[in-house]
Amino acid sequence: GAVVSQHPSWVICKSGTSVKIECRSLDFQATTMFWYRQFPKQSLMLMATSNEGSKATYEQGVEKDKFLINHASLTLSTLTVTSAHPEDSSFYICSATFMGNSYNEQFFGPGTRLTVL
Amino acid sequence: AQSVTQPDIHITVSEGASLELRCNYSYGATPYLFWYVQSPGQGLQLLLKYFSGDTLVQGIKGFEAEFKRSQSSFNLRKPSVHWSDAAEYFCAVGARGYSTLTFGKGTMLLVSP
Repeated sequence: GAVVSQHPSWVICKSGTSVKIECRSLDFQATTMFWYRQFPKQSLMLMATSNEGSKATYEQGVEKDKFLINHASLTLSTLTVTSAHPEDSSFYICSATFMGNSYNEQFFGPGTRLTVL
Repeated sequence: AQSVTQPDIHITVSEGASLELRCNYSYGATPYLFWYVQSPGQGLQLLLKYFSGDTLVQGIKGFEAEFKRSQSSFNLRKPSVHWSDAAEYFCAVGARGYSTLTFGKGTMLLVSP
């Protein structure tokens, strides 16, 4: 149980285009979803936290107009990288948790590798 | 605010030898503690977690970890390492009442034949 999927697993795009990454909870209702960014050989950096039906809460230093997060349903959150540039190339990982999970356990997706040319 | 320190950036262990990965945390109360493993290009897989109770917790793949409050540590151990254990290991801490996790910088485990 508690499976999270991401799509696509990898994407290559041209500079200036926008890219959407989907994060889905397959067998539970995800009341909260998290988006992380991971640079090569580094730890996960939390970008934002989103609750279903609410605006995302962004971490300091993360541009909300650059990284649009939508959590419109209890099973789907999307991250849109707008006007992507090569410096946005990274590994993006989402995670999810559910109401009643009082121990902060997060369930992670497999990640999406974004390469901007 | 909580923080996590993994003092070893990378560790090399011979196959069949024992393993201990260190994790120290900073948090005022009893934390929730996690160990995750990440293979190259993959997401994170939960190895084990500690919430309360018995301070020695067993996880998947033969891993265990011990919570030591006096040392603010949650070290991960395995008695005999297999080549397939080569990966990046992350320790994370959560706080009661808050949904976010704080991750350490990770320890890369290399397994030599």
